Amino acid sequence: NAGVTQTPKFQVLKTGQSMTLQCAQDMNHNSMYWYRQDPGMGLRLIYYSASEGTTDKGEVPNGYNVSRLNKREFSLRLESAAPSQTSVYFCASIEDRSYNSPLHFGNGTRLTVT
Amino acid sequence: DAKTTQPTSMDCAEGRAANLPCNHSTISGNEYVYWYRQIHSQGPQYIIHGLKNNETNEMASLIITEDRKSSTLILPHATLRDTAVYYCIVSPANAGGTSYGKLTFGQGTILTVHP
Repeated sequence: NAGVTQTPKFQVLKTGQSMTLQCAQDMNHNSMYWYRQDPGMGLRLIYYSASEGTTDKGEVPNGYNVSRLNKREFSLRLESAAPSQTSVYFCASIEDRSYNSPLHFGNGTRLTVT
Repeated sequence: DAKTTQPTSMDCAEGRAANLPCNHSTISGNEYVYWYRQIHSQGPQYIIHGLKNNETNEMASLIITEDRKSSTLILPHATLRDTAVYYCIVSPANAGGTSYGKLTFGQGTILTVHP
């Protein structure tokens, strides 16, 4: 049981390049989330998927797209990377049958855009 | 969403109890208080949560005041590995189930446990 797995762990992009951050969970959770964390700041929600086949915008969705490929996988795509997207990206999932369920986080993807 | 206020940083001696306060004076009746922590370079880790009663688990205790306007996270015997940023979060009101996990993380409290 690996929990939430994110790939890659590190990535460096040039401005304008594209890439997809991958996230997979093996806990059979319905809901999945993408957060970003900038230095010295808390986490901000980018997008989330309440269930397979649905996605919704969070607090800071501009510049990103997401795909809920199946129940296990939720990917985040940067179509044209910008230096402002330099950040640490965390994927999380939750068993939302219970309102009390905590979020389970991956260990992040550290992205630098030059 | 109710906002929370936490001290920027705190120190604690190893082996002593660490008491981390949090103010959430605008909390609504159906909102829970969650605590997470983030050890350097890792994803946030769930610690504990509560509605109005005090809670305890293997990691910590959570004390919520009777008026629910503040709470305290207690790590009973802090170790060096407890050095982390601790986030106090008030969960959003239930909105058809889609608000689960849409937590608002502030800047948290940097807890440093020293020998």
